[in-house]
Order: sequence, then structure tokens, then C-alpha cells
Amino acid sequence: AQSVTQPDIHITVSEGASLELRCNYSYGATPYLFWYVQSPGQGLQLLLKYFSGDTLVQGIKGFEAEFKRSQSSFNLRKPSVHWSDAAEYFCAVGPTGNQFYFGTGTSLTVIP
Amino acid sequence: NAGVMQNPRHLVRRRGQEARLRCSPMKGHSHVYWYRQLPEEGLKFMVYLQKENIIDESGMPKERFSAEFPKEGPSILRIQQVVRGDSAAYFCASSPKGGSSYEQYFGPGTRLTVT
Repeated sequence: AQSVTQPDIHITVSEGASLELRCNYSYGATPYLFWYVQSPGQGLQLLLKYFSGDTLVQGIKGFEAEFKRSQSSFNLRKPSVHWSDAAEYFCAVGPTGNQFYFGTGTSLTVIP
Repeated sequence: NAGVMQNPRHLVRRRGQEARLRCSPMKGHSHVYWYRQLPEEGLKFMVYLQKENIIDESGMPKERFSAEFPKEGPSILRIQQVVRGDSAAYFCASSPKGGSSYEQYFGPGTRLTVT
């Protein structure tokens, strides 16, 4: 069965520090992978996506993610976090038919 | 170009009432997805529609829930005889096409509270 696991429910980092958010997936074929960010009271915004090709994907707002097939992972990284990055982050995989599967999210707090 | 619009943003209903949630996709988008986000959970797929067609409703509860996307007007997610367990955030996403696009643009959601 298809699923996404985000092991970290909540992460706190200091502004300027590096960030890595973990995402592991279970999928029967080569997956399409996504990271979304959700600010309070807002909808989800696509940060980046992986369909094929280069396993290191660049996204908006200085984020990047690396697809590692052997580890079934698609971790999100940012070298230097800004206070405005505080939000909820969701990893997603799909599709199976028309369905995409989302993780439960990681809440990021940034300390000044 | 306006983004995906959802209204109302917040909706309070008493048990047994009906809830109607509206979603206007981005201009030029003809595909709409509905998701439900329960507290402490990720988004769960409910239904995928094109104009005047329900393509995949495998994520919809069998009873009380229905969705439509008419030729004119917004997509509607309708919940009849709401119960407390229906309290959640409901998100709509649109895409310009299905198939290999897979890029979905999300609305701000409707937060339904059932009292």
C-alpha cells in the first residue's frame, strides 16, 4: 500500500541554522514526490516536486530535496532558515490512479 | 490570475444540518480535487472531478457526502446530516489537466465545525 511517513511531528531550529525534514514513502513504482508548505490559515503551496531525472531537486524559497531510491526517502533541506519559514510542511507521493498520499506533516518553529 | 478560492472559510453547523462547501478553481483549470484534513492528520483524498464528471470518488464516504462540478459555477462538496466526526478542514485543489501534469494548486480551505 502507498503511504508517506514524516517521522518528526515538530522541529525547532534557530534562525540561520540548517534544516532537514524527513520523508519516507512506500510506493509500488517509481514515485512522483512533492513537498508542500502550509502557513496558518492558508492552503498548501508547492515547494518542489520530483518526477524523474536529477535526484537533487531545487524548489522555491531556497529549499531543495533529494530523492534516494535505496532509502525510499525524499528529505527536504534548507541551508539557512529564515523566521518566515515557520509553517507546516507536508510530503506527498503519487499518484495511484488519481490519488495522492500525504504525510501527517512536520511543524517547524524558528527561534530568533 | 486569482488563485483557487474556497468559501466559506469557516462554517459552523449543528448535528443533522447540511454543509455546502464551494471551490472555484484557478482560471483555465478544469480539474478539481477535494481533500479532508482531520486534526493531527495529513490530507486525505476524497474525490476528483472534471467539469460535469466525477472521475474518482473512491475516497468519499459512501453516505451523506456528494460532490459536483457543473459546467458553470464552482465545485460543490455537500455533506448531509453532519456529525461531529465531520469536523475538519476541507481543501480543494485544481489543476489544468490530469494525466502527467499532477501539479495541484490548493485553496485556503474551509474549516467545518460541527456542534
